Amino acid sequence: GDSVTQMEGPVTLSEEAFLTINCTYTATGYPSLFWYVQYPGEGLQLLLKATKADDKGSNKGFEATYRKETTSFHLEKGSVQVSDSAVYFCAHRNNNDMRFGAGTRLTVKP
Amino acid sequence: DADVTQTPRNRITKTGKRIMLECSQTKGHDRMYWYRQDPGLGLRLIYYSFDVKDINKGEISDGYSVSRQAQAKFSLSLESAIPNQTALYFCATSPAGGTYNEQFFGPGTRLTVL
Repeated sequence: GDSVTQMEGPVTLSEEAFLTINCTYTATGYPSLFWYVQYPGEGLQLLLKATKADDKGSNKGFEATYRKETTSFHLEKGSVQVSDSAVYFCAHRNNNDMRFGAGTRLTVKP
Repeated sequence: DADVTQTPRNRITKTGKRIMLECSQTKGHDRMYWYRQDPGLGLRLIYYSFDVKDINKGEISDGYSVSRQAQAKFSLSLESAIPNQTALYFCATSPAGGTYNEQFFGPGTRLTVL
């Protein structure tokens, strides 16, 4: 069945370091892909999305490209800040079915 | 004001008790969802509703029931709570139609079953 697999955490980086969180998926058809972020004590918020192959989603310095050939949607940021500390979830939506990865906790130290 | 609200935010209960978690939204969305979040497992869908007369089971519906009282309200019930239902529960909404629509999440309810 459909699923999302993302890099296990926790990930700890120093401020201004480069971030990559890997995400791969299995799905029939052509799902839409999402990255959500969860800050402490809050619900999930959409960070970025891509709806078709080769689309690049971007927001707040984060980027992810929909790679159909590798069924991947890796999240990247060139220079992380302490305020980026949160849990990041990769997700895909195929018709009416939305599946989430397990989440990756990122901690950024000053 | 929050667009998706959940009550209560925290609840501690005992095994065998009946619990209701409530969700309200002011976004005017037709679709509403209940998820549970467990460490290392991400979010898993419990139930979803595409309009007031529509209720569908999700990935892990056993032990849960729901009620869609109005477009804006979607309640989750645990008829007889058990300890492995201890989790963080999220309500979400989305507009109708299309596969591109994001979901909007409430702040979550932390439920502990002793």
